Amino acid sequence: DAGVIQSPRHEVTEMGQEVTLRCKPISGHNSLFWYRQTMMRGLELLIYFNNNVPIDDSGMPEDRFSAKMPNASFSTLKIQPSEPRDSAVYFCASSLGGGRGDTQYFGPGTRLTVL
Amino acid sequence: AQSVAQPEDQVNVAEGNPLTVKCTYSVSGNPYLFWYVQYPNRGLQFLLKYITGDNLVKGSYGFEAEFNKSQTSFHLKKPSALVSDSALYFCAVRAYSGTYKYIFGTGTRLKVLA
Repeated sequence: DAGVIQSPRHEVTEMGQEVTLRCKPISGHNSLFWYRQTMMRGLELLIYFNNNVPIDDSGMPEDRFSAKMPNASFSTLKIQPSEPRDSAVYFCASSLGGGRGDTQYFGPGTRLTVL
Repeated sequence: AQSVAQPEDQVNVAEGNPLTVKCTYSVSGNPYLFWYVQYPNRGLQFLLKYITGDNLVKGSYGFEAEFNKSQTSFHLKKPSALVSDSALYFCAVRAYSGTYKYIFGTGTRLKVLA
C-alpha cells in the first residue's frame, strides 16, 4: 500500500488567495483526520471524518477553513482567503475506524507558506 | 479534561546509553495510549500502542513503553540509543471528549550524541 498520499507537498501563495490541500487515505480506512502543525501551537486536530461524514470540526479555526470528503478515497481542506498566520504544515491521517485502539497513519504533510 | 503531558522539550543521551522519553496522561476511563515519531520533513510514524494487557509494550525499532496506571504514565524507552533515533517523539491518548479524539502531547525532541 502506498500509505496516505497528500498533495501538493509544498505550496507558496499570497495572502487572499484560495488554497486547496488534498488527501487520499489508505484504502479500506474509514476515518480521516486533518491536522495542522506549527512551532507555536504544536499538532492541532482540525477536523475528522468517519465514513465520509464530518464527526468533529471543533478544531477548524474559522469560517475561512472548510473540509470535504466526497468519497472514501479523497478529501480536501480549503482555505479561502488565506492569511500569513495559516502558514504551517498540514497533515492528513487515516485509520481503520473500528475502535478506540485504532492506529492513525499519517501522510507526509503539505508545507503551506502564505506571503 | 483529557490531556497528555510531555514534560521535557528535549532529551539528550549518548549513543549506546538507555533512553527514556516521558509521558503522563489524564483521562477518564481506560486510556488508549500511543507513541509516534517524526523525522525532519516527514509525517508522524506509529511506534507502539497500549490498549490492554501486559503493561510493557514492545514496538518498532527496538522501542518499548511501560504503562503505569497508578502513576498515569506511559514512558517510552530503549535500552541502547542510536544516533538515528534522533527525532521528535509524540505521546498521544485516544479519549472521549464529545467524540473520540486523539490528543497529542507537545512533543519531545530526542538528540542522541555520537
